[in-house]
Amino acid sequence: AQTVTQSQPEMSVQEAETVTLSCTYDTSESDYYLFWYKQPPSRQMILVIRQEAYKQQNATENRFSVNFQKAAKSFSLKISDSQLGDAAMYFCDDCRLSGGGADGLTFGKGTHLIIQP
Amino acid sequence: NAGVTQTPKFQVLKTGQSMTLQCAQDMNHNSMYWYRQDPGMGLRLIYYSASEGTTDKGEVPNGYNVSRLNKREFSLRLESAAPSQTSVYFCASSDGWGGYTFGSGTRLTVV
Repeated sequence: AQTVTQSQPEMSVQEAETVTLSCTYDTSESDYYLFWYKQPPSRQMILVIRQEAYKQQNATENRFSVNFQKAAKSFSLKISDSQLGDAAMYFCDDCRLSGGGADGLTFGKGTHLIIQP
Repeated sequence: NAGVTQTPKFQVLKTGQSMTLQCAQDMNHNSMYWYRQDPGMGLRLIYYSASEGTTDKGEVPNGYNVSRLNKREFSLRLESAAPSQTSVYFCASSDGWGGYTFGSGTRLTVV
């Protein structure tokens, strides 16, 4: 069974500052994907960033980057130059690659990110 | 727009009533999923369908049934709704290579 742990129920950051959201996971799979999803008040789940476990290079998407530590099973999300529109729930997730991801995503419980103007 | 469409967006049921949540995707994805989201719990997998004609239980299947009607459609049925099934339900589909698309959710209240 896979588990994903987000130890920060809530984080607050000043606009334009940098914030890091933590995530650890536990999987017995050798090949898997890791994700960060954003859920604003609209409820829509929006993909922020994805990391293939076989890739050593950390994924980046504009202001969003990850620190992927495979041996430590850690996958943190760094948001640079925080903007008011970044305020949302952020979920860390993983899925198996070997099965084509067919058995679905395992979600953490989420981190509520507040942006202070 | 291409994506995952789920209906209805809101529903109120009385305890013991039944209903079906509908989900359809137009991305030709093989895999489809139903999740529920409760406060402080993240999303939990109810059922999934890896391909047309197959369905499997997820983490919290009790009280639900599913039907993979065809490649596009995957429905979730509550036969006898209970207050514990009050939640937000999400349908999702996957291309099998880590690409997931979510519907906009259904807020269900059972009174």
